[in-house]
Amino acid sequence: DTEVTQTPKHLVMGMTNKKSLKCEQHMGHRAMYWYKQKAKKPPELMFVYSYEKLSINESVPSRFSPECPNSSLLNLHLHALQPEDSALYLCASSHPGLISTQAGPGRGVGEQFFGPGTRLTVL
Amino acid sequence: GENVEQHPSTLSVQEGDSAVIKCTYSDSASNYFPWYKQELGKRPQLIIDIRSNVGEKKDQRIAVTLNKTAKHFSLHITETQPEDSAVYFCAVGPNAGGTSYGKLTFGQGTILTVHP
Repeated sequence: DTEVTQTPKHLVMGMTNKKSLKCEQHMGHRAMYWYKQKAKKPPELMFVYSYEKLSINESVPSRFSPECPNSSLLNLHLHALQPEDSALYLCASSHPGLISTQAGPGRGVGEQFFGPGTRLTVL
Repeated sequence: GENVEQHPSTLSVQEGDSAVIKCTYSDSASNYFPWYKQELGKRPQLIIDIRSNVGEKKDQRIAVTLNKTAKHFSLHITETQPEDSAVYFCAVGPNAGGTSYGKLTFGQGTILTVHP
């Protein structure tokens, strides 16, 4: 399996709702990422998990709560979101640790592979 | 932190022409430089990458060149086709062993349109 999958594909929620986004990969990657992407903008890093531990939090508001239950799964729990949080939420995975200078494309450490994203609309 | 600038923001070419997109970065310790292609409504897909011990890499019609001294790298697409139309993002990755490993800093993107 060489894919990162995400569910749901689309999500519409009110500002008082609680919902969760899910991400799964079976490539043996031990680093997983959450990105937020607005239209016509680059992905913005939110969180990085390495070996199931949170290693980077890019000062994301607490209404976004990540969770990494095991090495294949990554969740993003949403609560009390604002309309400006509407965006495409992308999950990615990679091998963590040192970036190899010897590896070829798609086989070495460092390459991040993205899931298809969840299109979130907050009303 | 790392600062990545990407130019041009839009690029329009005729089918069969070449397209070149350039990125500059600020942290001389960065050593990983991927390029992603994102079609409308789809995920970013890694199309080619280069590491700091290599000056150039080619994969069929796509090539990437890296100038570590000048801190810039470029994506070259030859014999462009309409299906090459997409948004292209460059990114820069950290030096191995740093606490920011895995973090990619993206350029602002280039909208490439290939006219038939």
